[in-house]
Amino acid sequence: QKEVEQDPGPLSVPEGAIVSLNCTYSNSAFQYFMWYRQYSRKGPELLMYTYSSGNKEDGRFTAQVDKSSKYISLFIRDSQPSDSATYLCAPSPYAGGTSYGKLTFGQGTILTVHP
Amino acid sequence: NAGVTQTPKFQVLKTGQSMTLQCAQDMNHNSMYWYRQDPGMGLRLIYYSASEGTTDKGEVPNGYNVSRLNKREFSLRLESAAPSQTSVYFCASSEFGSNQPQHFGDGTRLSIL
Repeated sequence: QKEVEQDPGPLSVPEGAIVSLNCTYSNSAFQYFMWYRQYSRKGPELLMYTYSSGNKEDGRFTAQVDKSSKYISLFIRDSQPSDSATYLCAPSPYAGGTSYGKLTFGQGTILTVHP
Repeated sequence: NAGVTQTPKFQVLKTGQSMTLQCAQDMNHNSMYWYRQDPGMGLRLIYYSASEGTTDKGEVPNGYNVSRLNKREFSLRLESAAPSQTSVYFCASSEFGSNQPQHFGDGTRLSIL
């Protein structure tokens, strides 16, 4: 079993739709949760960064973490064609003050928002 | 503001050839990483350098070597390329310390025939 499972899609939605992207994980040590967005032929760029359980909102994007069920979600409101990309979840365990915290990436969900 | 710069962007090699992928960052980050990205596999860590002067193996280090040349530069070497190393390679950097976000370059697309 992979530590992080993410439905690869592809997911196709009309412009203006609410998009829900999800990951599940198995490692209880994960404390930090990141979402990256990757456009075609580009590197991943950090989209959202949350710590522990709860919600975090940034414009049209909301990241949600439920540690009790080991479930991570990213919601996109009023989706736009420019949101078409691959979205990768990347949880990480607490690494200590002077250590590197390994990111474990999901395989990514391909999203297309059509006009 | 260049961020993380990778060279070359594309490369085709024959089996058994060697090659070095270059990475440089201008964000004064201490930590640097090399990943490979394959369809259905996500991003997998090859090697990382938590700070200048240190390197450590990641999830898939076999067949690769790295050099942290200075604080800015971190190179990845394939000594004897194999078709299984056909992939997209990404370099990333971050501040030193626990759980800092990583910033990625745009990748090197490597094909080995």
